[in-house]
Amino acid sequence: DAKTTQPNSMESNEEEPVHLPCNHSTISGTDYIHWYRQLPSQGPEYVIHGLTSNVNNRMASLAIAEDRKSSTLILHRATLRDAAVYYCILLKSGGSNYKLTFGKGTLLTVNP
Amino acid sequence: NAGVTQTPKFQVLKTGQSMTLQCAQDMNHEYMSWYRQDPGMGLRLIHYSVGAGITDQGEVPNGYNVSRSTTEDFPLRLLSAAPSQTSVYFCASSYSAGLGTGELFFGEGSRLTVL
Repeated sequence: DAKTTQPNSMESNEEEPVHLPCNHSTISGTDYIHWYRQLPSQGPEYVIHGLTSNVNNRMASLAIAEDRKSSTLILHRATLRDAAVYYCILLKSGGSNYKLTFGKGTLLTVNP
Repeated sequence: NAGVTQTPKFQVLKTGQSMTLQCAQDMNHEYMSWYRQDPGMGLRLIHYSVGAGITDQGEVPNGYNVSRSTTEDFPLRLLSAAPSQTSVYFCASSYSAGLGTGELFFGEGSRLTVL
């Protein structure tokens, strides 16, 4: 299965944009890129996912490299509430994605 | 909708005691799973189920049992608790995560301490 690599931690200032990177150099053509985040003392929550094209929703934007070997989760204006651990995972399209695993993710600190 | 409901939220056990962590979802999801999360670690998959009557092991299944008699419920049983099972446990469910396109819905977690 393709793996993802994320920085252990990142820091940002409130109301500034944040770019969270994820490397997935062994991604296959049928792998979806998913992002989740986990706020302190809560369960993870879905943020966004994409296949090839960039995606936007109310929470964030997902920028996918042309070769799909990396992606970036973009928070356009960080707030204190965005301080969380962010996980990047790959799911196979139409596949048996039952053994879903989450690595350590990136701990985002937002400074006031 | 209540989403994914876990009970209890907190539990303290003595070594050797047994208990069941409950998980229920009201979204008619076929896929359900249990994770544990230890300090500074990511989530590790314990067991999962792709439908009533079907369960399988995840990454760290030892010491845990599961069953899936209904679509809604997926309890996690600790038959003889050990201090190494002190952790935060999360239940998750999904309609189409198995297909790659859907999202996982997580419960709020159950914090278990084994003395």
